[in-house]
Amino acid sequence: AQTVTQSQPEMSVQEAETVTLSCTYDTSESDYYLFWYKQPPSRQMILVIRQEAYKQQNATENRFSVNFQKAAKSFSLKISDSQLGDAAMYFCAYGNLGGATNKLIFGTGTLLAVQP
Amino acid sequence: DSGVTQTPKHLITATGQRVTLRCSPRSGDLSVYWYQQSLDQGLQFLIQYYNGEERAKGNILERFSAQQFPDLHSELNLSSLELGDSALYFCASSVVEGGEQYFGPGTRLTVT
Repeated sequence: AQTVTQSQPEMSVQEAETVTLSCTYDTSESDYYLFWYKQPPSRQMILVIRQEAYKQQNATENRFSVNFQKAAKSFSLKISDSQLGDAAMYFCAYGNLGGATNKLIFGTGTLLAVQP
Repeated sequence: DSGVTQTPKHLITATGQRVTLRCSPRSGDLSVYWYQQSLDQGLQFLIQYYNGEERAKGNILERFSAQQFPDLHSELNLSSLELGDSALYFCASSVVEGGEQYFGPGTRLTVT
């Protein structure tokens, strides 16, 4: 069974600085997706970025980028130029590509605080 | 706004009761997923539908059931409610089976 681990329950960053959130996962599949979701105090789940396992190039979305290390099963999120609005819970998630189900498996989350 | 709608936003009910949560996926999305977010269990997958057919079940209790209708909206039915069922219930949808899922705003269920 696939698992997702986020070992940092809480992180803090100064406004305009850069922060990296860690995520590791375990799977025996070769094709899959990885995602980062943001959950602000409103509790809405917002997709931040996605990475297909077959792509070697790391995904980037504006100030958000990932460092995907397939062999190490590591998928970290880097937030550059942090803003107050980035304060939220961040969840790493794994999804199968094809197969019987495409459910998402989530980590336990990292609560990010942004200090002004 | 993800384009996924869920009603109601909040629901307060008593133990032993039955409730129905409703979800409308994004236009064009055929897959619907239900997740439960509780403090002690985190985000857990409950069930998946694709174009009206059940695709997969997670750790969904027998007291819970769901269906997806021809217009693709889905309902999650929770019966014989217990205090431990209090949680945030999310619906998500995707265009195909796989890929990114877009989440609705959730239904906050409180069982008293």
